Amino acid sequence: DAGVIQSPRHEVTEMGQEVTLRCKPISGHDYLFWYRQTMMRGLELLIYFNNNVPIDDSGMPEDRFSAKMPNASFSTLKIQPSEPRDSAVYFCASSKAARNTEAFFGQGTRLTVV
Amino acid sequence: GENVEQHPSTLSVQEGDSAVIKCTYSDSASNYFPWYKQELGKRPQLIIDIRSNVGEKKDQRIAVTLNKTAKHFSLHITETQPEDSAVYFCAANRGGADGLTFGKGTHLIIQP
Repeated sequence: DAGVIQSPRHEVTEMGQEVTLRCKPISGHDYLFWYRQTMMRGLELLIYFNNNVPIDDSGMPEDRFSAKMPNASFSTLKIQPSEPRDSAVYFCASSKAARNTEAFFGQGTRLTVV
Repeated sequence: GENVEQHPSTLSVQEGDSAVIKCTYSDSASNYFPWYKQELGKRPQLIIDIRSNVGEKKDQRIAVTLNKTAKHFSLHITETQPEDSAVYFCAANRGGADGLTFGKGTHLIIQP
């Protein structure tokens, strides 16, 4: 398996534009997590899915953020409209069905909003 | 919610010496404590984890200890090598829920 795949690796966009980040989890993993990493706040859990269903979105910072998982092999994180303070590295991670097992991270998307 | 504190933020040790990183957590219901290593520009990768039913776990040069009463856990790296240089994150599951709360990270520097 190629691991968790995220795209794009880098995204530079202007303030106010819509940004969509994409993630393909490891096949057979039932849990998918979106994290955001910044120098100030570290790694923060934004939202997670179990069997494609959003379970906890309490970490999503604002209504400008939304996430979907239309099927077991694809998820998106959308920011609309984007703001400079959204600049961060966004990681997607997946894990197997059993609770509290290793989370495998993707390479991340470095987002810069200018 | 769960709060994880990690110390120190930067740790510099001589090659061959030991390094210890400490974390505390707030939610006594948390029962899974992984440690991740992140090299510059790379993804976080699990190096070791411990569950609340054990007090210590070892894997070659790396060990983790857990004190449930005090709600703290530590990472120990012995015989440090240059390739150990990275940022290390501790984490706790959020009161037993899915998903992790991470500490702010420790930048470990191995001096030659």
